[in-house]
Amino acid sequence: DIVMTQTPLSSPVTLGQPASISCRSSQSLVHSDGNTYLSWLQQRPGQPPRLLIYKISNRFSGVPDRFSGSGAGTDFTLKISRVEAEDVGVYYCMQSTQLYTFGQGTKLEIK
Amino acid sequence: EMRLVESGGGLIQPGGSLRLSCAASGFTVSSNYMSWVRQAPGKGLEWVSVVYTDDSTSYADSVQGRFTISRDNSKNTVHLQMNSLRAEDTAVYYCAAEGSGTYYVWGQGTLVTVSS
Repeated sequence: DIVMTQTPLSSPVTLGQPASISCRSSQSLVHSDGNTYLSWLQQRPGQPPRLLIYKISNRFSGVPDRFSGSGAGTDFTLKISRVEAEDVGVYYCMQSTQLYTFGQGTKLEIK
Repeated sequence: EMRLVESGGGLIQPGGSLRLSCAASGFTVSSNYMSWVRQAPGKGLEWVSVVYTDDSTSYADSVQGRFTISRDNSKNTVHLQMNSLRAEDTAVYYCAAEGSGTYYVWGQGTLVTVSS
């Protein structure tokens, strides 16, 4: 099974400042079809998860452009250029290259 | 608008059975891989099961042999039959639709509590 490891697990951020979350997989996420199925999800308090980024760097419909994804192989990053109050919640990376596994989650909170 | 609505959760005794349903609107479940993902109270997300477009299925080791996923194309619905329930199955169960290799539609979830 592929294990997804996120760092940090908690991230206090000042409004308007950038934030960054890392995700590392235990093996390469490059699929035999050439795609890398690494996604980022946001879960606001009391809400279901919501898709932000798919295939490393593709923003889903309606996602603000302050969210960006990057990486390759086994190392990936989600960046928020300027954190807003509505960004508070837990962020998960997820791989769907080989079945599905999630990172432990990173709690983003405002300082 | 694409939407998923789960139902069927509740309080059940250990060893009991429960059937969850996930009704889709705005798209057809037969054209997507459809999954169940669960979240224990205060914990992270755990994938449970998937039904592929060819009707084949996969399960997490933790539920293999106890849970069965199925799809009813006539009702545009996905089900999760859960047998031999354990306390550790207590969670909010989300239904999710997969497209472009990711879960792009999520339901609101249904809570399953296994307790005596």
